[in-house]
Amino acid sequence: SQQGEEDPQALSIQEGENATMNCSYKTSINNLQWYRQNSGRGLVHLILIRSNEREKHSGRLRVTLDTSKKSSSLLITASRAADTASYFCATSLTTSGTYKYIFGTGTRLKVLA
Amino acid sequence: DGGITQSPKYLFRKEGQNVTLSCEQNLNHDAMYWYRQDPGQGLRLIYYSQIVNDFQKGDIAEGYSVSREKKESFPLTVTSAQKNPTAFYLCASSLRQRDRWDEQYFGPGTRLTVT
Repeated sequence: SQQGEEDPQALSIQEGENATMNCSYKTSINNLQWYRQNSGRGLVHLILIRSNEREKHSGRLRVTLDTSKKSSSLLITASRAADTASYFCATSLTTSGTYKYIFGTGTRLKVLA
Repeated sequence: DGGITQSPKYLFRKEGQNVTLSCEQNLNHDAMYWYRQDPGQGLRLIYYSQIVNDFQKGDIAEGYSVSREKKESFPLTVTSAQKNPTAFYLCASSLRQRDRWDEQYFGPGTRLTVT
């Protein structure tokens, strides 16, 4: 199965509400990243949190990382209709001297106006 | 105007034909990646390259081939050996700084349909 598993798979909220998505992973990581994908488009990087960090903010985004539980959460505050997209977590790890990113299955967020 | 370009956006092929997807970046990034995305699913790594003239298989390399002759280019060939090639293909790149790898930059994707 995937290194990263997002939860929930789908989320529908009203504009102005907060949206929280969770990501769990299995092995030790170098960093964890969150990406956004609008339908039929490429992914856009949102935020990166390193393994020695516990929380990070960027605008309306707040990411936490708990390495003891191997989990991360992404909070989008005061959501807007334009936040409607799929959100993926990606863990980066070094194996056998090479560096890889492993993506989760994503959370589909729908923000209703 | 820096970024990653993929062409074409849509590609249609008959079963049994090889097809090559283009990926070019002008970000001066060291590493480049190819992913496959199926409907409603996450990204699966096909091949990646950390340096020119070197590349490694990802999780689903069977039926695919790549080359990395130039730093800015990483084309992906979907061969007739790939059993289910219809998918959305995404190319990405990232910069390596010392031993630190940062975020990936993605192209707009190529949607391949094989009939």
